[in-house]
Amino acid sequence: EVQLVESGGGLIQSGGSLRLSCAASGFIVSDNYMSWVRQAPGKGLEWVSVYYTGTNTYYADSVRGRFTISRDNPKNTLVLQMNSLRVEDTATYYCARVRKWPPQSSYMDVWGKGTTVTVSS
Amino acid sequence: QSVLTQPPSVSGAPGQRVTISCTGSSSSIGAGYNVHWYQQLPGRAPKLLIYDNSNRPAGVPDRFSGSKSGTSASLAITGLQAEDEADYYCQSYDSQQRGLSWVFGGGTKVTVV
Repeated sequence: EVQLVESGGGLIQSGGSLRLSCAASGFIVSDNYMSWVRQAPGKGLEWVSVYYTGTNTYYADSVRGRFTISRDNPKNTLVLQMNSLRVEDTATYYCARVRKWPPQSSYMDVWGKGTTVTVSS
Repeated sequence: QSVLTQPPSVSGAPGQRVTISCTGSSSSIGAGYNVHWYQQLPGRAPKLLIYDNSNRPAGVPDRFSGSKSGTSASLAITGLQAEDEADYYCQSYDSQQRGLSWVFGGGTKVTVV
C-alpha cells in the first residue's frame, strides 16, 4: 500500500527550529518528486516546497531562506528543516507525492495525514 | 488572498447537483495550465479528486466531474450524498509568481442540507 507518514511536529518558540520527516512506504521517494503543503488552523492549503532533484528544489516566497527540503534515501524519507520559525508558520504540514513534471502540469496524488507545528511568541 | 478564487460555501439537498467554480487569471488557468481538485473531509488530509481538469483517479466516483474554460474551472458533484460534505480545493500553476509557484484556491465548503 502506498503511504506517507509525517512526524516531527510540536510546539516551538518563535525563532526556533524543527525538523519534519515524511516516511514513505509502497514506493521509492528518490524515484519521485515530493512536496510539502501546509494548512494553517481554519485556513486553506498553501504549497511550501518541492524536491525535484538534488539541485532542483523550490520554495514558496514565505519560507525561502528559512526552510530546507531534502531526502534521506536509505530511510526512504522526505525531510523539511525549518529554521527561524515564525508564529505565522503555525500549521499542519502535509507531505505529498507529486505527479508529472514540468511543474505547470503537476499535481499531488498521495498525501500523508500531516503533522502539526505550533509556533508560540 | 488566494490567486485562485472559489466561493466559500455551496449547499445542496441529497441527490442534487452542485458546482464549485475556481477563477484564475491570464497568468494561471488562462495561460493554459491544468487545474486539479482535492477533497478534504473534516479532520482528514486532502485527497486527489480530479487531475488535469477532468480526469478522475481510480476509485473516485463518476459523480464528480471537472471542466475548464478560459480563466476558470469547475467541479460538479451530481447526486449529492451526505458523505460529500467536505472542503474542496482547486490547484494550478501561476507564472506571475517568482520561481515555481503552485497555487490553491481558498477552498469551498460543501454542505448537504
